[in-house]
Amino acid sequence: GENVEQHPSTLSVQEGDSAVIKCTYSDSASNYFPWYKQELGKRPQLIIDIRSNVGEKKDQRIAVTLNKTAKHFSLHITETQPEDSAVYFCAAGTSGTYKYIFGTGTRLKVLA
Amino acid sequence: NAGVTQTPKFQVLKTGQSMTLQCAQDMNHNSMYWYRQDPGMGLRLIYYSASEGTTDKGEVPNGYNVSRLNKREFSLRLESAAPSQTSVYFCASSVMGNEQFFGPGTRLTVL
Repeated sequence: GENVEQHPSTLSVQEGDSAVIKCTYSDSASNYFPWYKQELGKRPQLIIDIRSNVGEKKDQRIAVTLNKTAKHFSLHITETQPEDSAVYFCAAGTSGTYKYIFGTGTRLKVLA
Repeated sequence: NAGVTQTPKFQVLKTGQSMTLQCAQDMNHNSMYWYRQDPGMGLRLIYYSASEGTTDKGEVPNGYNVSRLNKREFSLRLESAAPSQTSVYFCASSVMGNEQFFGPGTRLTVL
């Protein structure tokens, strides 16, 4: 069946460095790719998303890139700060359907 | 707007007991979802409701039932709880195929 693979499962970076999290999806019909941040004990919240008609999207220190041919997309966080420490989930969805498969998450630790 | 709300926040059950988790949204979304979150497993879809009056199974539906009471409310029922159902349960709502908004979660422990 369809799945989304996410790597790495844990990532530690020094404050101010960049962090990159990668996801690969299997369903070629997927056309919506959100990223969620989940702080400890809290609900997942959307931080950025991208649709298949664009290759890159930026929002301040966060960017997402999409390679449809290779079926992978990545989250880039620049100038990391301690408050970026959380679990990040990627997902792949298809407009007009319920299909919305999550990756298994990446625990990011930003070391001060 | 309250967004997506869930009750209860915490629950402890004994094996074999039943309970219903409640979820409501005030964003006029057609689609609602129930997920469970286990360590290292991400978010797994239990059931979803594409629109009022319809429900369908997700990845891990065994041991659960759902009811879409109206457009706002979507409940999840455990008829006979098992220790394997110990998890954090999240309800979510969306316009189908777009951003999902999550509730605060219910932490369930089955002894």
